[in-house]
Amino acid sequence: QLQLQESGPGLVKPSETLSLTCTVSGGSITNTNYYWGWIRQPPGKGLEWIGSIYYSANTYYTPSLKSQITISVDTSKNHFSLKLSSVTAADTAIYYCARQRFTIFGPDLTDSWGQGTLVTVFS
Amino acid sequence: QSALTQPASVSGSPGQSITISCTGTSSDVGTYNLVSWYQQHPGKAPKLMIYDVSNRPSGVSNRFSGSKSGNTASLTISGLQAEDEAHYYCSSYTGSSTLLVFGGGTKLTVL
Repeated sequence: QLQLQESGPGLVKPSETLSLTCTVSGGSITNTNYYWGWIRQPPGKGLEWIGSIYYSANTYYTPSLKSQITISVDTSKNHFSLKLSSVTAADTAIYYCARQRFTIFGPDLTDSWGQGTLVTVFS
Repeated sequence: QSALTQPASVSGSPGQSITISCTGTSSDVGTYNLVSWYQQHPGKAPKLMIYDVSNRPSGVSNRFSGSKSGNTASLTISGLQAEDEAHYYCSSYTGSSTLLVFGGGTKLTVL
């Protein structure tokens, strides 16, 4: 059974870089049917897609965060990572890693989620 | 402001049916049959309930159904049960660089 597990610091200072890793188990990150993505949820609010990556390292980023985001993949470790630079309090959220269906248009539905990790931007 | 518009809350009694709407535009819901719905219980990750407008993943109860008309997609839950109380989010592929958008979420209360 596929499992995704986020890891990384729960506290980040303003203007610094948020770094998270998602380790995939029970399946291969090189499966050609899927993208691997990050979705966040500010406390008490809705969901926001951040970006996604294919095993070949092809990436899609949400335009509003594109200048701050880097998503990378390490197929040898079966994990992928998120870096979000220059964070502010507005970036405080639960960050989910997820598996997303591959389409010719890019990623769409999310069929598997990590448990989520709360990252607080706080000085 | 979310790209897709959902009612903030809906409610119903056990056994009843409810419908949650999700209104987008001709750039997303209206053009692509790539609408999905997610259920989220407090403190838990979302769970995929409907994909491609009206398809149910394996293991999801047939009490959950989806449809679309024009720029509005809908999730219907029939035979409401206490366990259905949760937040529900719609999502759609878009033809823009934003790629994926979510609705603001709807809190379902089972009375």
